Amino acid sequence: AQSVTQLDSQVPVFEEAPVELRCNYSSSVSVYLFWYVQYPNQGLQLLLKYLSGSTLVESINGFEAEFNKSQTSFHLRKPSVHISDTAEYFCAVSVGGGGNKLTFGTGTQLKVEL
Amino acid sequence: DAGITQSPRYKITETGRQVTLMCHQTWSHSYMFWYRQDLGHGLRLIYYSAAADITDKGEVPDGYVVSRSKTENFPLTLESATRSQTSVYFCASSEVPAGELFFGEGSRLTVL
Repeated sequence: AQSVTQLDSQVPVFEEAPVELRCNYSSSVSVYLFWYVQYPNQGLQLLLKYLSGSTLVESINGFEAEFNKSQTSFHLRKPSVHISDTAEYFCAVSVGGGGNKLTFGTGTQLKVEL
Repeated sequence: DAGITQSPRYKITETGRQVTLMCHQTWSHSYMFWYRQDLGHGLRLIYYSAAADITDKGEVPDGYVVSRSKTENFPLTLESATRSQTSVYFCASSEVPAGELFFGEGSRLTVL
């Protein structure tokens, strides 16, 4: 079975600074990888996903993540964060071609400060 | 409006009572899911459904029952609520396997 590890439960960062949220997964087969974002008192929304092809994927609001198969990682980065990026971020994995059961990490709370 | 809606948004109940959380989606997505969100655990899958009348257990199914008589509805029932079932419950739907999950806004359940 696959598992997802988000080592950082909280990441404080100043506005306009860069940020990286770490995600590692364990699976012996091909995987699909996702980042979801949850704003306060809301459900989760898809931020970006990797299914195949280019290992670097981008979101519309400046986030990017790179699939690294050798390191089994899918870290999320943004070169310059904004106050509005304050939210909880969840990494998730599903086995490629194996249905749609996502396994989520425990989440990383990103707090952007002035 | 199109989307996925959950009700009630907030519920307080007592140990031993039956509680049903409703989930309705207007997209006719085949796949529907119930997750619970707890601090330190992230989201854990309770049950999922690939189509009407097809349901299967997830990671933490004990104490829960689901049904899916219609594609658009996927209710979750706690037959005899326990304090350990105090949580935020999220319903989600997806059109295809490995596709984007669309989440409802959640139902916050407190069991006293």
